[in-house]
Amino acid sequence: KAGVTQTPRYLIKTRGQQVTLSCSPISGHRSVSWYQQTPGQGLQFLFEYFSETQRNKGNFPGRFSGRQFSNSRSEMNVSTLELGDSALYLCASSSQGGLVEQYFGPGTRLTVT
Amino acid sequence: QQQVKQSPQSLIVQKGGISIINCAYENTAFDYFPWYQQFPGKGPALLIAIRPDVSEKKEGRFTISFNKSAKQFSLHIMDSQPGDSATYFCAASMVSGSTGTASKLTFGTGTRLQVTL
Repeated sequence: KAGVTQTPRYLIKTRGQQVTLSCSPISGHRSVSWYQQTPGQGLQFLFEYFSETQRNKGNFPGRFSGRQFSNSRSEMNVSTLELGDSALYLCASSSQGGLVEQYFGPGTRLTVT
Repeated sequence: QQQVKQSPQSLIVQKGGISIINCAYENTAFDYFPWYQQFPGKGPALLIAIRPDVSEKKEGRFTISFNKSAKQFSLHIMDSQPGDSATYFCAASMVSGSTGTASKLTFGTGTRLQVTL
């Protein structure tokens, strides 16, 4: 089975711009979660989508948003980028039905200049 | 508010030794405790996980010890190898009763493990 894939792997943006990151979960997985990883704050939960609905949300400003498509692929959008948004954005997928494990993708490294 | 405290921040162990990483949590509603291993440039990989109904779980060289009353859990890596050199994260979450999944993982701050020859 193919793992979680994220595109692009690296991205450089300028302050004030917006960015969209993509995540394709493991086949059959319906839950997709997003995390931000920074040296200062560590790994922080952004939000989770399940069957195209946001099921959980972390403590991030409204500039961070996401969505999930009917094929379970998910996108994350950050508007009005700030320098502090520079981070590794990780996507994780999990399946329903008794399995609780989350499997992470390699992440998208976003640099805001 | 940091809900999962992890220590030590870094650890150096000789090859063949035992690596021990500790975590403590605050939220008594947590009922799923995974450990993740992360290599540079990679996403975290699930190593081993435990539910609070057991006090210990072993998979190969990796063992989780869980103390519910103390709200602590730890990872023991037996016979540590240079290939184990990575950053280890403990995490905690609540399992959804309706879906059986555990999203919204709360992570510890990570332990950078270096195994020397």
